Amino acid sequence: GEDVEQSLFLSVREGDSSVINCTYTDSSSTYLYWYKQEPGAGLQLLTYIFSNMDMKQDQRLTVLLNKKDKHLSLRIADTQTGDSAIYFCAESPSDSWGKLQFGAGTQVVVTP
Amino acid sequence: GAVVSQHPSWVICKSGTSVKIECRSLDFQATTMFWYRQFPKQSLMLMATSNEGSKATYEQGVEKDKFLINHASLTLSTLTVTSAHPEDSSFYICSATQGTSNTEAFFGQGTRLTVV
Repeated sequence: GEDVEQSLFLSVREGDSSVINCTYTDSSSTYLYWYKQEPGAGLQLLTYIFSNMDMKQDQRLTVLLNKKDKHLSLRIADTQTGDSAIYFCAESPSDSWGKLQFGAGTQVVVTP
Repeated sequence: GAVVSQHPSWVICKSGTSVKIECRSLDFQATTMFWYRQFPKQSLMLMATSNEGSKATYEQGVEKDKFLINHASLTLSTLTVTSAHPEDSSFYICSATQGTSNTEAFFGQGTRLTVV
């Protein structure tokens, strides 16, 4: 099975908060990332968190990391239609910097 | 942030021909570049790691004679799909890192390859 797991789909109403969850298996991961991919496009780095942090906030984005449970979440406040995309969680092992292990991606659909 | 450019954005080729995809770091020197493959509605799977001036390191199950990687300079890596077949049709994405910082890998916009 995959080392990084995500739910595949999330539907949210415009203006509500979205929460995307991710679990990973490599406890040695140094950094954990959230990427956004719009249709037919490459990946855009949204945010990342260092493994010794519990939380990181960046404008509408909040990342929570539970290292004990190897659980990562991304919360998007005041979700907009432009947030509709696929969101990938990724981990970077400490011995292989830059080399990312991705989850399957969560399709987020924002409805008016 | 740093910019990584891939070319072409999409390509259609006949079965049996070879296709070259370029990945360029536009405003930084990329010590390492990575090549990923993404099937529809699936995640990105790492194919190989490319360091400038040395042979690429391929992931298990990736045929190095089929997917030729050249990293001749600090700003350019190329992936050549040799003797392409329809099952090679996929979305190929490169990423690049600069120095030894482990904070961010910069991704290209991807190349959609269709083999007919």
